[in-house]
Amino acid sequence: AQSVAQPEDQVNVAEGNPLTVKCTYSVSGNPYLFWYVQYPNRGLQFLLKYITGDNLVKGSYGFEAEFNKSQTSFHLKKPSALVSDSALYFCAVRDGGATNKLIFGTGTLLAVQP
Amino acid sequence: NAGVTQTPKFQVLKTGQSMTLQCAQDMNHNSMYWYRQDPGMGLRLIYYSASEGTTDKGEVPNGYNVSRLNKREFSLRLESAAPSQTSVYFCASSEHRAIQPQHFGDGTRLSIL
Repeated sequence: AQSVAQPEDQVNVAEGNPLTVKCTYSVSGNPYLFWYVQYPNRGLQFLLKYITGDNLVKGSYGFEAEFNKSQTSFHLKKPSALVSDSALYFCAVRDGGATNKLIFGTGTLLAVQP
Repeated sequence: NAGVTQTPKFQVLKTGQSMTLQCAQDMNHNSMYWYRQDPGMGLRLIYYSASEGTTDKGEVPNGYNVSRLNKREFSLRLESAAPSQTSVYFCASSEHRAIQPQHFGDGTRLSIL
């Protein structure tokens, strides 16, 4: 069965510092991996995805994520955090073409301090 | 603005009451989804509609029914609301089922007393 884990409930970082939000996954086939962001009282917004190809994926708002097959990880990164990046971040995984079902992690709250 | 529109935004129900959550998208997307979001649990798929005229169960379909009224609209019905259905409900859409949910509505916050 497919699953995804976000080991940190909250990540705190100072503005201007690099940030990392961690995600690990488990699927039986080839993973399709996604990151979404949710601002207060809003729906999720799609940030980026990995299907195949380069392990470093670039997305919206300066975010990028690195796919690591050996560590089954897909960590979200940004070189320089902004206060406006403060939000709830969700990692999600789909088991390739085997299913249409997207499994979401429990979310990581990113707090960027000025 | 183009996107996914959900109504109502807030609702309080008594146990046993029924109601329908409405969702409409204006992006000509084929696939639509209903999720619920509960604290510490991420999003869980209730039902989805891969295309007009089809619907399928997700992870947590019990207690819910859906209708894909046309290509634009996908409604979620609670026939007899229970306190365990207190949640935030999100509708989402994508161009087709092979693509992840691309656009989400802003949610319906539902409390069942």
